[in-house]
Amino acid sequence: EAQVTQNPRYLITVTGKKLTVTCSQNMNHEYMSWYRQDPGLGLRQIYYSMNVEVTDKGDVPEGYKVSRKEKRNFPLILESPSPNQTSLYFCASSLLAGGHEQYFGPGTRLTVT
Amino acid sequence: AQSVTQLDSQVPVFEEAPVELRCNYSSSVSVYLFWYVQYPNQGLQLLLKYLSGSTLVKGINGFEAEFNKSQTSFHLRKPSVHISDTAEYFCAVIFISNFGNEKLTFGTGTRLTIIP
Repeated sequence: EAQVTQNPRYLITVTGKKLTVTCSQNMNHEYMSWYRQDPGLGLRQIYYSMNVEVTDKGDVPEGYKVSRKEKRNFPLILESPSPNQTSLYFCASSLLAGGHEQYFGPGTRLTVT
Repeated sequence: AQSVTQLDSQVPVFEEAPVELRCNYSSSVSVYLFWYVQYPNQGLQLLLKYLSGSTLVKGINGFEAEFNKSQTSFHLRKPSVHISDTAEYFCAVIFISNFGNEKLTFGTGTRLTIIP
């Protein structure tokens, strides 16, 4: 089954404790992206990757890192989480950037206390 | 700045009644337009998209949307809603001038509630 998977689905952590949210797709997609969803703000892009060689910042990259060592995986790293990073996170992928449909993972609900 | 506006944060509609969810964007550049649906505790699923051609686009679950370039709008419609349509709906736009990262810019969402 074609899908985007994220782990964990739920995470409660404390300020400053490094964490990684994994994202994997099995559709051989080039483009991958991370979004955060906050009430009243919709989804905002954190980082994106056009392919394994190109990764760049989105609209709200502060406090986040990503890596794209292989096509299928695009982990999101929070080196020192803070309470303002409490949010619902979505990973998405598409065949290429542009008008292609983006497929979304099920989401990761992160709470930082 | 390029932005996407969904003026209605919540829309209650009686079952079997028609519904229109509004979406406007602010830009004069070429665009790709999308509507996504998010059911409770799930990720986003594509309802329909407009890339080019006919301005009336049909999607899944009986939804359709019409692109109006002069009004920079892409409103979503369904002639008769069902309980199962209860969800949050997001309009999203790719502003094609953003070369290199043709990212989706999302509206803030409209929560559609169907009243039995």
